[in-house]
Amino acid sequence: AQSVTQLDSQVPVFEEAPVELRCNYSSSVSVYLFWYVQYPNQGLQLLLKYLSGSTLVKGINGFEAEFNKSQTSFHLRKPSVHISDTAEYFCAVSVSSGSARQLTFGSGTQLTVLP
Amino acid sequence: DGGITQSPKYLFRKEGQNVTLSCEQNLNHDAMYWYRQDPGQGLRLIYYSQIVNDFQKGDIAEGYSVSREKKESFPLTVTSAQKNPTAFYLCASSIDSGSSETQYFGPGTRLLVL
Repeated sequence: AQSVTQLDSQVPVFEEAPVELRCNYSSSVSVYLFWYVQYPNQGLQLLLKYLSGSTLVKGINGFEAEFNKSQTSFHLRKPSVHISDTAEYFCAVSVSSGSARQLTFGSGTQLTVLP
Repeated sequence: DGGITQSPKYLFRKEGQNVTLSCEQNLNHDAMYWYRQDPGQGLRLIYYSQIVNDFQKGDIAEGYSVSREKKESFPLTVTSAQKNPTAFYLCASSIDSGSSETQYFGPGTRLLVL
């Protein structure tokens, strides 16, 4: 079975600074990788996903992530954050040969952007 | 506007009571899911349905039940057998149950025990 580790539970950062949210996964087979964002008391919204092809994936709101197969990582980055980026971010992985019921979520990283 | 709606936003349950959480989607998606979210944890799958009149247990199905009589509806019942029901419940749907498909989430229902 696959698993996901989000290495930081909380990341505080000042407005307009760059940020990286770290995600590592483990799986013995090929995977698909996702990043979701959750604003307070709301559902999750897809930021970006990696299925195949270019390892650098661009998403909404200026976020991007890089798939690194050798390091089994899928870190999320943004070069300059805004107050409105304050939210919880979830990394998720599914097995490429499996079904969507096998989507496994990390425990989340709370990003807090400070003025 | 297409999307997923969940109701109510907040729900209170008394001891020994069954409560039902509503989930409706107008995205014409075949697959639907129920997740439970607890503080500091990721989402855990309760039940999922790949198609109408079919559903399967997820990782934490004990104390919950579902039905899928219509494509657009996937209600979740939290039974009295669920001893720790306080959590945030999220419903999601996807075009089909393929592992590459994006899951679209509703706004959630927060369940509290009185």
